[in-house]
Amino acid sequence: AQSVTQPDIHITVSEGASLELRCNYSYGATPYLFWYVQSPGQGLQLLLKYFSGDTLVQGIKGFEAEFKRSQSSFNLRKPSVHWSDAAEYFCAVGGYNNNDMRFGAGTRLTVKP
Amino acid sequence: DADVTQTPRNRITKTGKRIMLECSQTKGHDRMYWYRQDPGLGLRLIYYSFDVKDINKGEISDGYSVSRQAQAKFSLSLESAIPNQTALYFCATAGRSGPGYNEQFFGPGTRLTVL
Repeated sequence: AQSVTQPDIHITVSEGASLELRCNYSYGATPYLFWYVQSPGQGLQLLLKYFSGDTLVQGIKGFEAEFKRSQSSFNLRKPSVHWSDAAEYFCAVGGYNNNDMRFGAGTRLTVKP
Repeated sequence: DADVTQTPRNRITKTGKRIMLECSQTKGHDRMYWYRQDPGLGLRLIYYSFDVKDINKGEISDGYSVSRQAQAKFSLSLESAIPNQTALYFCATAGRSGPGYNEQFFGPGTRLTVL
């Protein structure tokens, strides 16, 4: 069965520092991978997605993610974190028909001044 | 105006009461979903619908029912609410299947508390 693991429940980084959020997935077919961000009191907003092609994908707000099939990973990165990036981040894996999306438990990001 | 709206945004109810959460969308999408979010568990799929005549159970459908009244409306009901259904509920929509259509668009959520 498909599943997503986000090993870090909570990460704290200083403003201006780099960020990497980890995501490992298990999926029996070609995975479609997503990163969503949830700000307090808000719904989920898509940061980026990977379907095929270039394994390094660029998203909104300066985020990028790299798909590594051999490691079953899809880690999210940002070179310089801003205070407004404080939020909860969810990795998700789904299939072609979009009916079996599975989400990780989320990583909460705190940004120190 | 928001593309995916949910009503109510907050609801407190008592054990045994029937509750309906409503979702409307203006995106013209065929596919609609209901999720619940619990701390430490992420989002889990309750039900999904690919068109008005299509309803499918998700990962955790027990204790819930849904109605797809129109392409734009998808309601979630708790027939007899219990405290462990206290959670944040999200509605989401998506276009037709295929590459590029897999993105789901989420509503702002409904926070439900069952006492």
